[in-house]
Amino acid sequence: GEDVEQSLFLSVREGDSSVINCTYTDSSSTYLYWYKQEPGAGLQLLTYIFSNMDMKQDQRLTVLLNKKDKHLSLRIADTQTGDSAIYFCAETFSGGYNKLIFGAGTRLAVHP
Amino acid sequence: DGGITQSPKYLFRKEGQNVTLSCEQNLNHDAMYWYRQDPGQGLRLIYYSQIVNDFQKGDIAEGYSVSREKKESFPLTVTSAQKNPTAFYLCASSAPGTKAYEQYFGPGTRLTVT
Repeated sequence: GEDVEQSLFLSVREGDSSVINCTYTDSSSTYLYWYKQEPGAGLQLLTYIFSNMDMKQDQRLTVLLNKKDKHLSLRIADTQTGDSAIYFCAETFSGGYNKLIFGAGTRLAVHP
Repeated sequence: DGGITQSPKYLFRKEGQNVTLSCEQNLNHDAMYWYRQDPGQGLRLIYYSQIVNDFQKGDIAEGYSVSREKKESFPLTVTSAQKNPTAFYLCASSAPGTKAYEQYFGPGTRLTVT
């Protein structure tokens, strides 16, 4: 079945690293994504990783993929107050069209 | 600037009325999608369209209808048959030719039905 799970809340101190975790069930997923949603706004694509990769780095963002455990994580280095948002993990669905399956989102709160 | 626009940002309706949400994109994307977002839940797919004049039901299509007469536009009608229409509605588009199939989202419309 299709399911993506994330913890709902994460609180970090400004300047620390944040790690947001996600588990997925569709082993045939080709791409996995991280989206950011600020209050009252749409989703912004942060980064994605192809399933044959195990790591991708983009400035302050590091994505780690453990395909064996179906575990995806997003690390934000030097977390800032502007990083406070909801972060959604998503996987592609192998059913033949561009369907994304989203997790419920992790609310990241950054405090001084 | 290329992007996706949704209007209006906030919409209020009385129960029993149909309401149409607008979604326009100038990204020249073939595929467009409608999602519903409820608090504490991920996005759920309502309808999607991979090409003009064609669309398919998503996971929660009951009580909704769409049309795709132009590549740029994919309006969603929330009908009176939708039992719980109050939600945040997000439109997205993607270019199927890209390998990553990433979807780009509009700013959303918050619909409140009383």
